[in-house]
Amino acid sequence: ILNVEQSPQSLHVQEGDSTNFTCSFPSSNFYALHWYRWETAKSPEALFVMTLNGDEKKKGRISATLNTKEGYSYLYIKGSQPEDSATYLCASPSNDYKLSFGAGTTVTVRA
Amino acid sequence: NAGVMQNPRHLVRRRGQEARLRCSPMKGHSHVYWYRQLPEEGLKFMVYLQKENIIDESGMPKERFSAEFPKEGPSILRIQQVVRGDSAAYFCASSPRTVFNEKLFFGSGTQLSVL
Repeated sequence: ILNVEQSPQSLHVQEGDSTNFTCSFPSSNFYALHWYRWETAKSPEALFVMTLNGDEKKKGRISATLNTKEGYSYLYIKGSQPEDSATYLCASPSNDYKLSFGAGTTVTVRA
Repeated sequence: NAGVMQNPRHLVRRRGQEARLRCSPMKGHSHVYWYRQLPEEGLKFMVYLQKENIIDESGMPKERFSAEFPKEGPSILRIQQVVRGDSAAYFCASSPRTVFNEKLFFGSGTQLSVL
């Protein structure tokens, strides 16, 4: 099991503002980095799976970057909307099946 | 293509009873994972299965907990003689290949409450 950490634990953002938060993971024996979005009363839904250092992924107003050498990934939300309110989880595998999840960053977008 | 189906959504058991949680993976997915979410904690790996095989159960308590993924039918997570500390949300996920390149598809979870 890997030590995957996320910060901050929670954040509040005004509608229309942009925000970002961090996922830290061990840089040795890196295989992949996953981001999931988890809305209340729903199941986690995958956003991105990233494998290459310097990789950037984008889905609508949400994007992510990956630095495998220093062991961190950023998730960005541009022009936050109330529907972006959710807990965002990152996870990294220690082998080909065992994902270790961070505790998540809970984003609340205020209208 | 239906998603990962878990049932029941909510399960209430008294201490000492058995709990059976079911998970049908997405069609074409042969990799099944069970995760547990304890109150105020994140998702914790419990067990990884492929058809008829338990590959890794290192995250599952050795006593009272068992899992299976038979050739036919859903994957089952079984908890015998439940205790209050077993109260948690249990999530099943599936994938078509390994998590090196593939995302997990999660079910809606089963909330187990032990009275």
